[in-house]
Amino acid sequence: RKEVEQDPGPFNVPEGATVAFNCTYSNSASQSFFWYRQDCRKEPKLLMSVYSSGNEDGRFTAQLNRASQYISLLIRDSKLSDSATYLCVVTTPHKLIFGTGTRLQVFP
Amino acid sequence: NAGVTQTPKFQVLKTGQSMTLQCAQDMNHNSMYWYRQDPGMGLRLIYYSASEGTTDKGEVPNGYNVSRLNKREFSLRLESAAPSQTSVYFCASSEVQGDEQFFGPGTRLTVL
Repeated sequence: RKEVEQDPGPFNVPEGATVAFNCTYSNSASQSFFWYRQDCRKEPKLLMSVYSSGNEDGRFTAQLNRASQYISLLIRDSKLSDSATYLCVVTTPHKLIFGTGTRLQVFP
Repeated sequence: NAGVTQTPKFQVLKTGQSMTLQCAQDMNHNSMYWYRQDPGMGLRLIYYSASEGTTDKGEVPNGYNVSRLNKREFSLRLESAAPSQTSVYFCASSEVQGDEQFFGPGTRLTVL
């Protein structure tokens, strides 16, 4: 089993739609959680950290469920510019483990 | 601030050739990392340096060596390139291990 698993997609959604991605992780000792965004042929960039109580940043909401060991990302009112691959990232005590990513394509 | 910079951006090598990928960061970060990214495989850690003067193997270290030249710079060397090393290589840095990482723009390497 992979340490971090994501549905690869692609998720094809129209502008204005709400879309949700899930990610599961296997190491119950994982301490920190992030969502990164990666545009085609570019480097990954931090989108947001994920806190136990859940957190929101504009149209983006991240949730963490430690008991079930999954993380989610909700994007509301999708924009064309949201088209990218979203990477779920989990830390063990000393390293970050990256999921393979979920591709999102927003169409007009 | 430039953040994390990498050179070169693109490189084509023949099997058996050697090369060094350069990485530098200007954020005064303690930890630096080298990843490779292949289609369907995600980012895989090659080597990392938790702090100046230390280096450790990651998930896929075979065929690579690293040098933490100083706090700013962390280089990756391929001594004898193989076609299986065709990939996109990313350098990253973080203030300390486990913190969010900042990535360089990547080096696209093709080994023929």
